[in-house]
Amino acid sequence: SQTIHQWPATLVQPVGSPLSLECTVEGTSNPNLYWYRQAAGRGLQLLFYSVGIGQISSEVPQNLSASRPQDRQFILSSKKLLLSDSGFYLCAWGRGGNGYTFGSGTRLTVV
Amino acid sequence: SQQGEEDPQALSIQEGENATMNCSYKTSINNLQWYRQNSGRGLVHLILIRSNEREKHSGRLRVTLDTSKKSSSLLITASRAADTASYFCATILYGQNFVFGPGTRLSVLP
Repeated sequence: SQTIHQWPATLVQPVGSPLSLECTVEGTSNPNLYWYRQAAGRGLQLLFYSVGIGQISSEVPQNLSASRPQDRQFILSSKKLLLSDSGFYLCAWGRGGNGYTFGSGTRLTVV
Repeated sequence: SQQGEEDPQALSIQEGENATMNCSYKTSINNLQWYRQNSGRGLVHLILIRSNEREKHSGRLRVTLDTSKKSSSLLITASRAADTASYFCATILYGQNFVFGPGTRLSVLP
């Protein structure tokens, strides 16, 4: 069966520190992968999506970057975190037009 | 601009009552989906309705779609405390990415 793993679940990082969040998918090949950010009590903002290895599209310019080094691996990174990067980050695997399967999310607090 | 907009933003009801949430969108779509999010967790896909469908049922969930009004509603019948969550609609036009609304926070009081 298809599953998606996202870690860590929570993360507290100081301002200026680097970030690496990882997402992996099992049970499928060549998935469309997505990173979303959700501010407290708000909807989802699409940050990046990828349709294949090394292919990254950015929806919103910001302090973050994404990479897809392997078919089923999607990484969200930052070289220097800002306070405004705090939020709930969700990785998702897109099943064509039939919807998303979401990871369990990472709560990032930048202090 | 935001494609999906749910209303109300927050809804509190008693256990056993029905809960209705609405979603409006602005452009053409191929399908619309509803997701549920428990606090601090990922979103879970509930139900998908295609643009040529008007109503779908899944257990206690009933979704309607009115493409002429560009709106959808999610009805949860006989609500339970465990239904407490945020509910999001998401629309898609094939070839583009899904767009999520800001969500409705549902509280079901025992």
